Amino acid sequence: DTGVSQDPRHKITKRGQNVTFRCDPISEHNRLYWYRQTLGQGPEFLTYFQNEAQLEKSRLLSDRFSAERPKGSFSTLEIQRTEQGDSAMYLCASSLNAGGYNEQFFGPGTRLTVL
Amino acid sequence: AQSVTQLDSQVPVFEEAPVELRCNYSSSVSVYLFWYVQYPNQGLQLLLKYLSGSTLVKGINGFEAEFNKSQTSFHLRKPSVHISDTAEYFCAVTRNTDKLIFGTGTRLQVFP
Repeated sequence: DTGVSQDPRHKITKRGQNVTFRCDPISEHNRLYWYRQTLGQGPEFLTYFQNEAQLEKSRLLSDRFSAERPKGSFSTLEIQRTEQGDSAMYLCASSLNAGGYNEQFFGPGTRLTVL
Repeated sequence: AQSVTQLDSQVPVFEEAPVELRCNYSSSVSVYLFWYVQYPNQGLQLLLKYLSGSTLVKGINGFEAEFNKSQTSFHLRKPSVHISDTAEYFCAVTRNTDKLIFGTGTRLQVFP
């Protein structure tokens, strides 16, 4: 069990560019979550998947954001036409939903800086 | 809807002193409560959780928390802190084990 991994760890981009982040969950975890953490704040929920189905999206997830989990394993989060306000740490978590409580395990995050 | 308030943004403390990090939540339904720790440039690590049962919950690294339903609080405590406990601590709540709602965090700074 290698834990949740995220790539890249850091991304610097210019305003208006598109970026894509990848999250690899713990193997056999069927749920995958994305959170965003801005400086001095706690993580805020963006969206989550159960297998390949996207079950919930936050209002924070504007139409410039899209997340996918095509085969129910890894997931990608794409931000189009980045804005300076998108600068944040993007955290991914995974869990095994087998009924009852399912602990979320977090990856190290991708820090995005939009210049 | 659920929400979490962490009353202290920063808590400075000397090594080997006791510490309490405060967390209050609001919810109209039963919830699950958590404390996470975040070290610099790292993800979140679960310290402890309250799901049901005993209101005193023990976690890793000598931390414990007490669930108080009447005061809607879930304060985190440690009787003697170490330099290595310096980190950001987040209280979180969830209603149905789906998305977590986090507080704004408390920075614990331990001084020698």
